Amino acid sequence: NFMLTQPHSVSESPGKTVTISCTGSSGSIARHYVQWYQLRPGSAPTTVIYEDDQRPSGVPDRFSGSIDSSSNSAFLTISGLKTEDEADYYCQSYESSTNWVFGGGTKLTVL
Amino acid sequence: QITLKESGPTLVKPTQTLTLTCTFSGFSLSTRGVGVGWIRQTPGKALEWLALIYWDDDKRYSPSLKSRLTITKDTSKNQVVLTMTNVDPADTATYYCSYRNTTPWVDYWGQGTLVTVSS
Repeated sequence: NFMLTQPHSVSESPGKTVTISCTGSSGSIARHYVQWYQLRPGSAPTTVIYEDDQRPSGVPDRFSGSIDSSSNSAFLTISGLKTEDEADYYCQSYESSTNWVFGGGTKLTVL
Repeated sequence: QITLKESGPTLVKPTQTLTLTCTFSGFSLSTRGVGVGWIRQTPGKALEWLALIYWDDDKRYSPSLKSRLTITKDTSKNQVVLTMTNVDPADTATYYCSYRNTTPWVDYWGQGTLVTVSS
């Protein structure tokens, strides 16, 4: 079974840049698109990246996504960190339209 | 503007049936390509995809939960209902309603509703 592995937590200071990884267990991560979701307590989750590197309207351009085939990983990079970026971030891909795979989530602390 | 809102009980006893309703606005579930689904987040933070219903009433379920889930829609009321039978404390989670349009990912999420299964 295809699995996605994320670091449990990352932390960085306001104004800095942080990158969260999402590594595929088998097969090429580039085979299907990767998405990134932001979950904050008390707020509806939001999609911050879709199709590997596309940003939905309304998501600041401080958020960017990328894929590195050599490491079989997807990355979410957040620059100019703000305290409001503190949240859990999940990567997601799929093996079929209804066989979704989520990463375990990464808790981002901005301190 | 697309919005989704989940409603249902906050506490359910083991072996009972859980019924959750997603009420949405800003789109029609009769529009080709549109789907409304459910995802849950367990207390341990894992996300799990549960079920999806498409505009044409095609229904898809998580293989591991298929025998316990039923998803239906009421297009006139802009609602999607998920029922889960024989709940267990392991079903304690925040349940999210989600919208997607032809894509295998979420475009919009509801705020979520926390359901606790306990006697």
